[in-house]
Amino acid sequence: GQQLNQSPQSMFIQEGEDVSMNCTSSSIFNTWLWYKQDPGEGPVLLIALYKAGELTSNGRLTAQFGITRKDSFLNISASIPSDVGIYFCAGQKNAGNMLTFGGGTRLMVKP
Amino acid sequence: EAQVTQNPRYLITVTGKKLTVTCSQNMNHEYMSWYRQDPGLGLRQIYYSMNVEVTDKGDVPEGYKVSRKEKRNFPLILESPSPNQTSLYFCASSLSLTYVLAKNIQYFGAGTRLSVL
Repeated sequence: GQQLNQSPQSMFIQEGEDVSMNCTSSSIFNTWLWYKQDPGEGPVLLIALYKAGELTSNGRLTAQFGITRKDSFLNISASIPSDVGIYFCAGQKNAGNMLTFGGGTRLMVKP
Repeated sequence: EAQVTQNPRYLITVTGKKLTVTCSQNMNHEYMSWYRQDPGLGLRQIYYSMNVEVTDKGDVPEGYKVSRKEKRNFPLILESPSPNQTSLYFCASSLSLTYVLAKNIQYFGAGTRLSVL
């Protein structure tokens, strides 16, 4: 099955820095989702995007649904140590379709 | 509390010894799914179930079986495990897959780390 291309694969940043990661696909998705996986836990949904061009925030997190429907971005502002984890993007082509996940971005934050 | 519960959390086994990983959800969700997570590959879907007695293959079904006899349970069965099935497995559930709403999020279990020697 198709995978989403997520980058970067890993990031090691200083506390307080902003973070950007993105997900791209060669085909269109009509829903984009961003999940965070804490160490030893399952993924938890952070943000869901349903319209092309949509920009949605959840606290210090902001995600955008690309206007081409082939990409999405997640930004984290003023990172803190508890932001550590693996962030996954996921796309759904249409209601009733399975989710396709990106490879994940492992974020490490140095206090 | 809304939960997806997987057991066991950790399992070490040998090639060819049948095993079952259980998954149970308490939210009366119709849709359940199994994923495996491997470094750099993200989550890949193994099998999913739209409702009781309805199951279908995901992206990587080879070597796995599932059953959905009751709405709350969705066990993953490895009839003859092999080393390439060493992975981190997640069960997930959601209300439905037929529509996407802000409330229809997919809940994940805490994961089962399997090592096949």
